[in-house]
Amino acid sequence: DIQMTQSPSSLSASVGDRVTITCRASQGISNSLAWYQQKPGKVPNLLIYAASTLQSGVPSRISGSGSGTDFTLTISSLQPEDVATYYCQKYNGAPFTFGPGTKVDIK
Amino acid sequence: EVQLVESGGGPVKPGGSLRLSCAASGFTFSTNSMNWVRQAPGKGLEWVSSISSTSSYIFYADSVKGRFTISRDNAKNSLYLQMNSLRPEDTAVYYCTLGAVAGSYFFDYWGQGTLVTVSS
Repeated sequence: DIQMTQSPSSLSASVGDRVTITCRASQGISNSLAWYQQKPGKVPNLLIYAASTLQSGVPSRISGSGSGTDFTLTISSLQPEDVATYYCQKYNGAPFTFGPGTKVDIK
Repeated sequence: EVQLVESGGGPVKPGGSLRLSCAASGFTFSTNSMNWVRQAPGKGLEWVSSISSTSSYIFYADSVKGRFTISRDNAKNSLYLQMNSLRPEDTAVYYCTLGAVAGSYFFDYWGQGTLVTVSS
């Protein structure tokens, strides 16, 4: 099975900072990657699919890129409402594995 | 408006069984794949199982294969998860999720979840 890893596992940044989270697949998955945001105590929310397609309603400061094995989620200007844990997920074939998550908070 | 409402969670002893249900509304249930994702307390997300629109394709995580059974009733707009031989490590919030893009297994919509607690 393809394994998904994320780095860093957590980060602390200032409001307005550019934040980048990396997701890596142990084998190529083309662009079959989604990103989710889970705010504390809330249900996960789909941010991005097909590696770079922004889900409707997601702010444009959030973007995704990558293909194959290496992917990134970028928040161009971190806002207080972005405090959350972010998960990547592969969906090119079962198992539809999630990454372990990256916790983002404000410095 | 898409709504996914899970039910059936609760406390259960190791080795016991539970059946989770998900009532769906606000979309054409019979044309979409459906899924279960779980989250143990304080832990990350774990995909559990998926079923295609006509039940032709069913997938399970290795951690539940042989113990859990996913099913759906398109006439009742309902998704189910029969969980047998439950273990303490199955303790989690179980989310019913919808992949709105036909044939894709990423999750546009999530229910609020139902908590399953496996403990003696």
